[in-house]
Amino acid sequence: GENVEQHPSTLSVQEGDSAVIKCTYSDSASNYFPWYKQELGKRPQLIIDIRSNVGEKKDQRIAVTLNKTAKHFSLHITETQPEDSAVYFCAASRNGGGADGLTFGKGTHLIIQP
Amino acid sequence: DGGITQSPKYLFRKEGQNVTLSCEQNLNHDAMYWYRQDPGQGLRLIYYSQIVNDFQKGDIAEGYSVSREKKESFPLTVTSAQKNPTAFYLCASSNQDRGRDIQYFGAGTRLSVL
Repeated sequence: GENVEQHPSTLSVQEGDSAVIKCTYSDSASNYFPWYKQELGKRPQLIIDIRSNVGEKKDQRIAVTLNKTAKHFSLHITETQPEDSAVYFCAASRNGGGADGLTFGKGTHLIIQP
Repeated sequence: DGGITQSPKYLFRKEGQNVTLSCEQNLNHDAMYWYRQDPGQGLRLIYYSQIVNDFQKGDIAEGYSVSREKKESFPLTVTSAQKNPTAFYLCASSNQDRGRDIQYFGAGTRLSVL
Protein backbone atom coordinates (compact mmCIF):
# COMPACT_ATOMS: atom_id res chain seq x y z
CA GLY A 1 0.00 0.00 0.00
CA GLU A 2 0.85 3.67 -0.01
CA ASN A 3 3.34 5.11 2.51
CA VAL A 4 3.67 8.85 3.10
CA GLU A 5 6.65 10.32 4.94
CA GLN A 6 6.43 13.90 6.25
CA HIS A 7 9.21 16.18 7.52
CA PRO A 8 9.89 17.93 9.77
CA SER A 9 7.73 16.81 12.68
CA THR A 10 8.07 20.24 14.29
CA LEU A 11 8.88 23.55 12.58
CA SER A 12 9.36 26.85 14.35
CA VAL A 13 9.59 30.05 12.29
CA GLN A 14 9.53 33.75 13.03
CA GLU A 15 6.35 35.58 12.15
CA GLY A 16 6.64 36.93 8.62
CA ASP A 17 9.13 34.28 7.50
CA SER A 18 8.33 31.39 5.17
CA ALA A 19 7.68 27.78 6.15
CA VAL A 20 8.19 24.68 4.03
CA ILE A 21 6.90 21.20 4.82
CA LYS A 22 7.95 18.24 2.70
CA CYS A 23 6.35 14.87 1.98
CA THR A 24 7.35 11.82 -0.02
CA TYR A 25 5.09 9.02 -1.20
CA SER A 26 5.76 5.48 -2.33
CA ASP A 27 2.96 4.54 -4.73
CA SER A 28 3.62 5.88 -8.21
CA ALA A 29 -0.09 5.41 -8.98
CA SER A 30 -1.08 8.10 -6.46
CA ASN A 31 -2.55 11.08 -8.27
CA TYR A 32 -4.13 13.32 -5.65
CA PHE A 33 -2.27 15.16 -2.88
CA PRO A 34 -4.23 17.26 -0.37
CA TRP A 35 -2.97 19.19 2.63
CA TYR A 36 -5.02 19.47 5.81
CA LYS A 37 -4.62 21.90 8.70
CA GLN A 38 -5.67 20.95 12.21
CA GLU A 39 -5.76 23.71 14.80
CA LEU A 40 -5.59 22.74 18.45
CA GLY A 41 -8.78 21.00 19.52
CA LYS A 42 -10.38 21.30 16.10
CA ARG A 43 -11.08 19.01 13.18
CA PRO A 44 -8.74 18.79 10.15
CA GLN A 45 -9.70 21.04 7.25
CA LEU A 46 -8.48 21.02 3.68
CA ILE A 47 -6.31 24.04 2.85
CA ILE A 48 -5.00 23.16 -0.61
CA ASP A 49 -4.73 20.16 -2.92
CA ILE A 50 -3.03 19.23 -6.16
CA ARG A 51 -3.53 16.57 -8.78
CA SER A 52 -0.71 14.77 -10.53
CA ASN A 53 -1.25 16.56 -13.85
CA VAL A 54 -0.21 19.85 -12.24
CA GLY A 55 3.22 20.81 -10.95
CA GLU A 56 2.31 23.75 -8.75
CA LYS A 57 -0.76 25.40 -7.28
CA LYS A 58 -1.08 28.64 -5.33
CA ASP A 59 -3.77 30.12 -3.13
CA GLN A 60 -2.79 33.48 -1.65
CA ARG A 61 0.04 32.78 0.85
CA ILE A 62 -0.08 29.03 0.38
CA ALA A 63 1.42 27.00 -2.44
CA VAL A 64 1.98 23.32 -3.12
CA THR A 65 4.56 21.86 -5.50
CA LEU A 66 4.69 18.33 -6.85
CA ASN A 67 7.60 16.39 -8.34
CA LYS A 68 6.18 13.16 -9.74
CA THR A 69 9.54 11.81 -10.81
CA ALA A 70 10.97 12.10 -7.32
CA LYS A 71 7.60 11.29 -5.71
CA HIS A 72 7.62 14.24 -3.37
CA PHE A 73 5.44 17.26 -2.76
CA SER A 74 5.80 20.30 -0.54
CA LEU A 75 3.69 22.94 1.18
CA HIS A 76 4.98 26.50 1.17
CA ILE A 77 3.54 29.17 3.43
CA THR A 78 4.82 32.72 2.93
CA GLU A 79 4.55 35.72 5.26
CA THR A 80 3.54 33.48 8.16
CA GLN A 81 1.06 34.78 10.70
CA PRO A 82 0.13 33.64 14.23
CA GLU A 83 -3.03 31.98 12.91
CA ASP A 84 -0.87 29.68 10.81
CA SER A 85 0.16 27.87 14.00
CA ALA A 86 -1.32 24.36 13.73
CA VAL A 87 -0.54 20.78 12.77
CA TYR A 88 -0.36 20.24 9.02
CA PHE A 89 -0.91 16.85 7.39
CA CYS A 90 -0.05 15.87 3.86
CA ALA A 91 -1.87 12.97 2.22
CA ALA A 92 -1.84 10.94 -0.95
CA SER A 93 -4.37 8.83 -2.78
CA ARG A 94 -5.13 7.09 -6.04
CA ASN A 95 -8.35 7.91 -7.80
CA GLY A 96 -8.79 11.23 -6.05
CA GLY A 97 -9.21 9.65 -2.64
CA GLY A 98 -12.70 8.34 -3.26
CA ALA A 99 -11.74 4.79 -4.01
CA ASP A 100 -9.64 3.93 -1.01
CA GLY A 101 -9.41 6.86 1.36
CA LEU A 102 -6.36 8.96 2.07
CA THR A 103 -2.95 7.92 3.38
CA PHE A 104 -1.71 10.66 5.69
CA GLY A 105 1.74 11.69 6.80
CA LYS A 106 2.37 11.89 10.54
CA GLY A 107 1.97 15.64 10.65
CA THR A 108 4.10 18.75 11.17
CA HIS A 109 3.54 20.99 14.15
CA LEU A 110 4.13 24.51 12.86
CA ILE A 111 4.91 27.10 15.50
CA ILE A 112 4.92 30.80 14.57
CA GLN A 113 7.15 32.78 16.92
CA PRO A 114 6.08 36.42 17.46
CA ASP B 1 -18.54 23.39 10.93
CA GLY B 2 -21.88 21.60 10.58
CA GLY B 3 -22.74 18.82 8.20
CA ILE B 4 -21.03 15.88 9.85
CA THR B 5 -21.76 15.03 13.47
CA GLN B 6 -19.95 12.60 15.74
CA SER B 7 -21.17 11.46 19.12
CA PRO B 8 -20.36 11.15 21.88
CA LYS B 9 -17.50 13.60 22.27
CA TYR B 10 -15.94 11.47 25.03
CA LEU B 11 -16.39 7.74 25.56
CA PHE B 12 -15.04 5.32 28.13
CA ARG B 13 -14.72 1.61 27.57
CA LYS B 14 -14.47 -1.10 30.18
CA GLU B 15 -12.38 -4.22 29.70
CA GLY B 16 -14.11 -6.70 27.37
CA GLN B 17 -16.77 -4.23 26.30
CA ASN B 18 -17.82 -3.28 22.78
CA VAL B 19 -18.58 0.38 22.21
CA THR B 20 -20.13 2.14 19.22
CA LEU B 21 -19.20 5.57 17.91
CA SER B 22 -21.82 7.44 15.94
CA CYS B 23 -21.24 9.39 12.71
CA GLU B 24 -24.03 11.17 10.83
CA GLN B 25 -23.79 13.47 7.81
CA ASN B 26 -26.36 15.62 6.05
CA LEU B 27 -24.11 16.60 3.15
CA ASN B 28 -25.55 13.93 0.84
CA HIS B 29 -22.05 12.52 0.40
CA ASP B 30 -21.63 9.02 -0.97
CA ALA B 31 -18.34 8.14 0.71
CA MET B 32 -17.65 7.97 4.42
CA TYR B 33 -14.50 7.13 6.36
CA TRP B 34 -13.22 6.36 9.83
CA TYR B 35 -9.73 7.41 10.90
CA ARG B 36 -7.84 6.89 14.12
CA GLN B 37 -5.54 9.67 15.34
CA ASP B 38 -2.76 8.96 17.84
CA PRO B 39 -0.17 11.53 18.95
CA GLY B 40 2.68 11.69 16.45
CA GLN B 41 1.03 9.10 14.20
CA GLY B 42 -1.12 11.19 11.92
CA LEU B 43 -4.46 9.82 10.79
CA ARG B 44 -4.78 6.13 9.94
CA LEU B 45 -7.67 4.71 7.94
CA ILE B 46 -9.80 2.11 9.73
CA TYR B 47 -12.73 1.54 7.34
CA TYR B 48 -14.34 3.31 4.44
CA SER B 49 -17.60 3.05 2.55
CA GLN B 50 -18.32 4.34 -0.93
CA ILE B 51 -21.96 3.36 -1.04
CA VAL B 52 -24.76 2.09 1.16
CA ASN B 53 -24.43 -1.55 2.22
CA ASP B 54 -20.80 -1.72 1.13
CA PHE B 55 -17.60 -1.02 3.04
CA GLN B 56 -13.91 -1.84 2.84
CA LYS B 57 -11.14 -2.39 5.38
CA GLY B 58 -8.49 0.28 5.69
CA ASP B 59 -4.97 -0.05 7.03
CA ILE B 60 -5.87 -0.83 10.66
CA ALA B 61 -9.27 -2.56 10.59
CA GLU B 62 -8.49 -5.32 13.11
CA GLY B 63 -10.64 -5.02 16.22
CA TYR B 64 -13.16 -2.71 14.57
CA SER B 65 -16.42 -3.20 12.70
CA VAL B 66 -18.75 -0.89 10.76
CA SER B 67 -22.12 -0.84 9.03
CA ARG B 68 -23.60 1.36 6.32
CA GLU B 69 -27.34 0.78 6.30
CA LYS B 70 -28.16 4.40 5.45
CA LYS B 71 -26.35 6.96 3.34
CA GLU B 72 -26.29 9.39 6.24
CA SER B 73 -24.88 7.06 8.88
CA PHE B 74 -21.62 5.14 9.33
CA PRO B 75 -21.24 3.88 12.92
CA LEU B 76 -17.97 2.36 14.13
CA THR B 77 -17.88 -0.38 16.76
CA VAL B 78 -14.69 -0.82 18.75
CA THR B 79 -14.74 -4.45 19.80
CA SER B 80 -13.07 -6.15 22.75
CA ALA B 81 -10.57 -7.56 20.24
CA GLN B 82 -9.03 -4.09 19.88
CA LYS B 83 -6.41 -4.23 22.62
CA ASN B 84 -5.29 -0.61 22.42
CA PRO B 85 -8.43 1.41 21.71
CA THR B 86 -7.44 4.65 23.45
CA ALA B 87 -7.29 7.25 20.69
CA PHE B 88 -9.08 10.10 18.98
CA TYR B 89 -11.48 8.85 16.29
CA LEU B 90 -12.41 11.00 13.32
CA CYS B 91 -15.20 10.36 10.86
CA ALA B 92 -15.20 12.00 7.43
CA SER B 93 -17.37 12.11 4.35
CA SER B 94 -16.66 13.17 0.79
CA ASN B 95 -17.89 13.51 -2.74
CA GLN B 96 -15.66 13.57 -5.78
CA ASP B 97 -15.82 16.82 -7.68
CA ARG B 98 -13.84 17.22 -10.92
CA GLY B 99 -11.20 14.79 -9.78
CA ARG B 100 -10.90 16.24 -6.29
CA ASP B 101 -12.02 14.42 -3.19
CA ILE B 102 -12.47 16.88 -0.36
CA GLN B 103 -12.99 15.13 2.93
CA TYR B 104 -15.04 16.88 5.58
CA PHE B 105 -14.33 15.77 9.12
CA GLY B 106 -16.45 15.55 12.21
CA ALA B 107 -15.31 16.97 15.53
CA GLY B 108 -14.13 13.57 16.74
CA THR B 109 -14.71 11.17 19.61
CA ARG B 110 -12.05 10.63 22.25
CA LEU B 111 -12.13 7.04 23.51
CA SER B 112 -10.44 6.02 26.73
CA VAL B 113 -10.19 2.70 28.56
CA LEU B 114 -11.25 2.49 32.19
